[in-house]
Amino acid sequence: EADIYQTPRYLVIGTGKKITLECSQTMGHDKMYWYQQDPGMELHLIHYSYGVNSTEKGDLSSESTVSRIRTEHFPLTLESARPSHTSQYLCASSEYGTANTGELFFGEGSRLTVL
Amino acid sequence: GNSVTQMEGPVTLSEEAFLTINCTYTATGYPSLFWYVQYPGEGLQLLLKATKADDKGSNKGFEATYRKETTSFHLEKGSVQVSDSAVYFCALSDWSGGKLIFGQGTELSVKP
Repeated sequence: EADIYQTPRYLVIGTGKKITLECSQTMGHDKMYWYQQDPGMELHLIHYSYGVNSTEKGDLSSESTVSRIRTEHFPLTLESARPSHTSQYLCASSEYGTANTGELFFGEGSRLTVL
Repeated sequence: GNSVTQMEGPVTLSEEAFLTINCTYTATGYPSLFWYVQYPGEGLQLLLKATKADDKGSNKGFEATYRKETTSFHLEKGSVQVSDSAVYFCALSDWSGGKLIFGQGTELSVKP
């Protein structure tokens, strides 16, 4: 059973609001990721981190930002939400030493709806 | 660049039918290959993996063989159950960037 948690699971907010999606893992993993999953199910990597104080942009440009102040915590923030940000956001982690084996552990996702 | 292509869904089968979901890839070097599954309302979880050519990954009755000559990693199951209804993602590891590259996902629906 993977120990990676996302909150909130569901969020409905109005345009222009600031939101933070929380992601925490208790496995001590160095690498963490944020994926955006569109209604067609496709996954897009938007941010990742190799460890504390490391953050990188993913393959899909995103207006969101992330931080990695603690190993276990990788929050994602939208300063001003818009309807185009409506999506499911999935957080994942992996061990750095075995990153090449590619096993990611995923949270259950945060489904964001911006009205 | 590296990429993964899966057969389009949705795939609808009757219980106990044989399942094949096709996956082909383009990659430099020797990537590891994976199948992830996403059940309704949940995140993804690793179903099986293969780390080198001719390896066969297997789990929960599902199998996939890493075929370097055809750059394929097709997912198969001999007899599907209603509980197998989910979205299945093929993926490869990008060793240079330490990232996973996912296919577009294939939705499977199994009817009783």
